[in-house]
Amino acid sequence: AQSVSQHNHHVILSEAASLELGCNYSYGGTVNLFWYVQYPGQHLQLLLKYFSGDPLVKGIKGFEAEFIKSKFSFNLRKPSVQWSDTAEYFCAVKFYNTDKLIFGTGTRLQVFP
Amino acid sequence: ETGVTQTPRHLVMGMTNKKSLKCEQHLGHNAMYWYKQSAKKPLELMFVYNFKEQTENNSVPSRFSPECPNSSHLFLHLHTLQPEDSALYLCASSQDGQGQFFGPGTRLTVL
Repeated sequence: AQSVSQHNHHVILSEAASLELGCNYSYGGTVNLFWYVQYPGQHLQLLLKYFSGDPLVKGIKGFEAEFIKSKFSFNLRKPSVQWSDTAEYFCAVKFYNTDKLIFGTGTRLQVFP
Repeated sequence: ETGVTQTPRHLVMGMTNKKSLKCEQHLGHNAMYWYKQSAKKPLELMFVYNFKEQTENNSVPSRFSPECPNSSHLFLHLHTLQPEDSALYLCASSQDGQGQFFGPGTRLTVL
């Protein structure tokens, strides 16, 4: 079955620390990959996406993600987090030729000043 | 303002009530979606509409009934719900699979 895994459920960091959130998906075919962020009390927002081309994609607010096809992974990174990055982060995968977007369970990030 | 609006933002209903959730997108997208977001669970896709035609029904119970009168509007009609249906219901839209834009959601409580 198609599935998306986010292994880090809760991450706590100090400001300026580096961040990497893991995302793996189960299917081996063509996929489109997304990271969404949900700030406290706000709606889900698209952070970045990968469709094709350069496997290192840059998103808003200094975030980037790297698609590694051989590992079925799309990890999210940020070199130096800020308190304002406190939010929940969701990885999502759209499998080829469907309208379905499969989400991971989310990772709650807390950044302390 | 996200371009996707949802009303009401909060709804409390009894198990015998009938209510409807409304979603409107102002982005000119051709696809709209209903999701259910429960605590500690992945976001669950419920329904997908593409050019007003339903293309996905993710085994959703019949007490949830979607309606898509045009590409800009999507409704979710609710009746005889159960307490376990309490959740945040999110609407989203997209154009040709280019990433979905989400509304703020309706927080539903079933008593």
